[in-house]
Amino acid sequence: AQSVTQLDSQVPVFEEAPVELRCNYSSSVSVYLFWYVQYPNQGLQLLLKYLSGSTLVKGINGFEAEFNKSQTSFHLRKPSVHISDTAEYFCAVSGTGFQKLVFGTGTRLLVSP
Amino acid sequence: DAMVIQNPRYQVTQFGKPVTLSCSQTLNHNVMYWYQQKSSQAPKLLFHYYDKDFNNEADTPDNFQSRRPNTSFCFLDIRSPGLGDAAMYLCATSRDLEETQYFGPGTRLLVL
Repeated sequence: AQSVTQLDSQVPVFEEAPVELRCNYSSSVSVYLFWYVQYPNQGLQLLLKYLSGSTLVKGINGFEAEFNKSQTSFHLRKPSVHISDTAEYFCAVSGTGFQKLVFGTGTRLLVSP
Repeated sequence: DAMVIQNPRYQVTQFGKPVTLSCSQTLNHNVMYWYQQKSSQAPKLLFHYYDKDFNNEADTPDNFQSRRPNTSFCFLDIRSPGLGDAAMYLCATSRDLEETQYFGPGTRLLVL
């Protein structure tokens, strides 16, 4: 079975500053990794995903993430955040071959002026 | 635009009164999922359909049922809602079982 740990429940940051949201996973099999964003009272929107190939994955809205197999991490980064990036961010993992998507508990990104 | 649609966006029901939430998709995906997301928690998978095959998660209460009359539509039925069932209910679809899941906007259920 897979599991995901998002250590930071909340990350406050000033506008235009860089940000990193941390995600670590646990799995005994090969994995697919995802980051989703959820704005208030909205569904989940896919930011980016790692399935295979290049370990640096670029997503929408200027976000990117790097898959690090040795550290079992998939941290999300953005070099300069905007007020509009304020939202809840969920890291998720699934095993290759159908295994259900397992979500972390989420990190609330709070961007202030 | 191809998308996942959930209606209504907000639903209020009474304790014990059956309620049905609706999800439709224009993506022509084979798989449809229902998740429950309680306040400040991660989404939790309730069940999924692969085509017409229903797959229930082991810890999903019997109070929750689902129907998929055709490829485009999937319904979540809560037979006797309790106060603890108040949550955001998210529908998602994927082309196949290993494929990326795409989520609808969710239905927020309030139980009075």
